[in-house]
Amino acid sequence: AQKITQTQPGMFVQEKEAVTLDCTYDTSDPSYGLFWYKQPSSGEMIFLIYQGSYDQQNATEGRYSLNFQKARKSANLVISASQLGDSAMYFCAMRGANTGGFKTIFGAGTRLFVKA
Amino acid sequence: DSGVTQTPKHLITATGQRVTLRCSPRSGDLSVYWYQQSLDQGLQFLIQYYNGEERAKGNILERFSAQQFPDLHSELNLSSLELGDSALYFCASSAGRVAGAHEQYFGPGTRLTVT
Repeated sequence: AQKITQTQPGMFVQEKEAVTLDCTYDTSDPSYGLFWYKQPSSGEMIFLIYQGSYDQQNATEGRYSLNFQKARKSANLVISASQLGDSAMYFCAMRGANTGGFKTIFGAGTRLFVKA
Repeated sequence: DSGVTQTPKHLITATGQRVTLRCSPRSGDLSVYWYQQSLDQGLQFLIQYYNGEERAKGNILERFSAQQFPDLHSELNLSSLELGDSALYFCASSAGRVAGAHEQYFGPGTRLTVT
């Protein structure tokens, strides 16, 4: 069975510092994708970054990078130079092929608070 | 703005009723996904359609059904509504059929309140 685990219900970070949000996953699919989404208090889900299971290099998108460690089944999100606007809920998600089609599962989320 | 539109933004209805949520994907996207986000169960994948065909099914109740039309917009039908169906319902779209290869872009959501 597929599973995503985010063990940090809440995190605090000082403005301009870097922060790592943890995500571990479990799957038996040989090919899968890992995603991070941001959900501000306004409610919309914003795509941040994608990592394919066969990608050799860690994904980066601006201030976001994904620390992908396949053997450890972890896909941590690193936000550099935190900004007040980064305060939001962050979800790790996984999508892969399995019997019956492709399914997406989300972790429980981590709420990030950026302090001025 | 993701380019995905959802209507209505808010919906309040009574138990036992039936509602239809509508989603228009980004221009050119062939896949549409539906999700339910509730306080007790988090964000759950319901169903995916690709170019009119059901592609993947998640934790979708039998009281719920969806379809994707030839113009690629999708509707999620929720019937015999219960209090526990109150949630934020998201639609997302992506370009491809292979879900792992393309990021999904989410609409603003429809907040359903069942009283």
